Amino acid sequence: SQQGEEDPQALSIQEGENATMNCSYKTSINNLQWYRQNSGRGLVHLILIRSNEREKHSGRLRVTLDTSKKSSSLLITASRAADTASYFCATAREKLTFGTGTRLTIIP
Amino acid sequence: DTGVSQNPRHKITKRGQNVTFRCDPISEHNRLYWYRQTLGQGPEFLTYFQNEAQLEKSRLLSDRFSAERPKGSFSTLEIQRTEQGDSAMYLCASSLVGGAFTDTQYFGPGTRLTVL
Repeated sequence: SQQGEEDPQALSIQEGENATMNCSYKTSINNLQWYRQNSGRGLVHLILIRSNEREKHSGRLRVTLDTSKKSSSLLITASRAADTASYFCATAREKLTFGTGTRLTIIP
Repeated sequence: DTGVSQNPRHKITKRGQNVTFRCDPISEHNRLYWYRQTLGQGPEFLTYFQNEAQLEKSRLLSDRFSAERPKGSFSTLEIQRTEQGDSAMYLCASSLVGGAFTDTQYFGPGTRLTVL
């Protein structure tokens, strides 16, 4: 079963704008991870944030984690056409439990 | 390229046939995971190994499914008597527990199964 949900389910923005995706989950976690998936392909790991961390950056990515609200957000700044993909959050204990994903479309 | 490879990339079979998929993880990784993903959904956990030991199986893994990792390196996932509901992308991932990148799972490209 899915652990949580991403919000929104779909997002379309103009190239250069920022994209924000949210993730909610249900149980306690060791860490939370974000993945990107291009259509019909495998998942690419983007960033991992541990349960004792509140914010993490990697290039144009910024992830926040609020364990009291059981939520996380992924911000992609200065979006590019190549960012068009589905984005999944996954909570981790031993295995990963994925959300339902946000489909991001960047309009050139 | 994450280093995890899966074969075949695509498999079309008729209902009732058996199929076997192979996953080769990143060489030094001690954990190997199998997930299944259907269209429009996130991946769902099936099972995982630490070295050659199968440590957890999801209730999604019915009696028709079996996974092995005989030497703690590559793994196979077999589906017997396939059903149309087995049509999905089967994803393999590996990770190194205890190292600097503990918990990060690296995924292969997946095997897309179509059951006719």
